[in-house]
Amino acid sequence: ETAVFQTPNYHVTQVGNEVSFNCKQTLGHDTMYWYKQDSKKLLKIMFSYNNKQLIVNETVPRRFSPQSSDKAHLNLRIKSVEPEDSAVYLCASSKGQNSDYTFGSGTRLLVI
Amino acid sequence: GDSVIQMQGQVTLSENDFLFINCTYSTTGYPTLFWYVQYSGEGPQLLLQVTTANNKGSSRGFEATYDKGTTSFHLQKTSVQEIDSAVYYCAMRPGTGSNRLTFGKGTKFSLIP
Repeated sequence: ETAVFQTPNYHVTQVGNEVSFNCKQTLGHDTMYWYKQDSKKLLKIMFSYNNKQLIVNETVPRRFSPQSSDKAHLNLRIKSVEPEDSAVYLCASSKGQNSDYTFGSGTRLLVI
Repeated sequence: GDSVIQMQGQVTLSENDFLFINCTYSTTGYPTLFWYVQYSGEGPQLLLQVTTANNKGSSRGFEATYDKGTTSFHLQKTSVQEIDSAVYYCAMRPGTGSNRLTFGKGTKFSLIP
């Protein structure tokens, strides 16, 4: 099956903990993205990786960092979570300059 | 800068009603326009896209026309069903060679119970 796979589906953690979310795409795409979706369903781009190079880094807090081992994987680490980090984190991928995005199912984070 | 405006945060209708979701965009050049749909518990998925101005895209009974004159890309469906309940995002890729998509705020559609 070719798709974008995200793990875990849900994660509950306490303020100050470190979390890491995984994303893998089996579509042969060359660009991957992380989006944050808040409670109002607003999609905000966080990072974009093209062939392992960071090409977009919106002004997210420094406790967030993307980690990529190859163009099929893009993980997201949050060093010390805060309550406002509670959201759904969506991973996506695309190929070349003229393709649409394929999204994963998302990781829902709850910080208590 | 580039922007996509969806004025409606939520739309609620009865079964078989006509659905209209507003979308306007702002950019230079000739963008490609998209509608994505997100069902509960899933990620957004492509519903339709249109690359050429004044063309219409259609999928699963939904239609949207790329209107360069009014810079609009409204989504419509003649007769909505329960399975259409979802969040709909209008999106744009500028015609500058970048593959970065700009998304609207999303419009949540649901049926009156």
